[in-house]
Amino acid sequence: SQQGEEDPQALSIQEGENATMNCSYKTSINNLQWYRQNSGRGLVHLILIRSNEREKHSGRLRVTLDTSKKSSSLLITASRAADTASYFCAPPGGTGFQKLVFGTGTRLLVSP
Amino acid sequence: EAQVTQNPRYLITVTGKKLTVTCSQNMNHEYMSWYRQDPGLGLRQIYYSMNVEVTDKGDVPEGYKVSRKEKRNFPLILESPSPNQTSLYFCATGPAGGAQFFGPGTRLTVL
Repeated sequence: SQQGEEDPQALSIQEGENATMNCSYKTSINNLQWYRQNSGRGLVHLILIRSNEREKHSGRLRVTLDTSKKSSSLLITASRAADTASYFCAPPGGTGFQKLVFGTGTRLLVSP
Repeated sequence: EAQVTQNPRYLITVTGKKLTVTCSQNMNHEYMSWYRQDPGLGLRQIYYSMNVEVTDKGDVPEGYKVSRKEKRNFPLILESPSPNQTSLYFCATGPAGGAQFFGPGTRLTVL
């Protein structure tokens, strides 16, 4: 069954540095999404990349997708303290890709 | 303003006392779902609904019920809560398989 796994589990960087988080999944997808969660709060959708796209940008976010390796990465450039959060990838699962499957996320700490 | 609201936000209850967590959305989406989030286990889907009167089990449905009588509401019902249902619960809505909008969460403690 589908599973999204983020790597690393935790990442600590300084403001201004770039942060890269990776995601692996198991079964075929039609798209893959990334979400952010500030501590104890609801998840916020960041970006959706379709299976026929290799790369997508949104502001300081850059997402890549390699369907042959069943992997994706999220790059946050010029990180800020406000980027401190947990980040989740969500490949779709279920028949018809109608549900999202979340992993345990990457906890990112950006220090001033 | 597009919103997903959950009530209550915090609840402490005792084993066996029936409770309902409400979820309401004003975005006119057909798809709604419930997740629970536990440390080390990530988010797991409990139930989802593709449309009014259409609900289906997610990955961890045991001990939960849902109903979808109206498009905007998707309550989560715990008929006889147990301590292992202590968790952080999220309701979400959006296009099926597309970007989901999450509610603020309900932190439930069952003693």
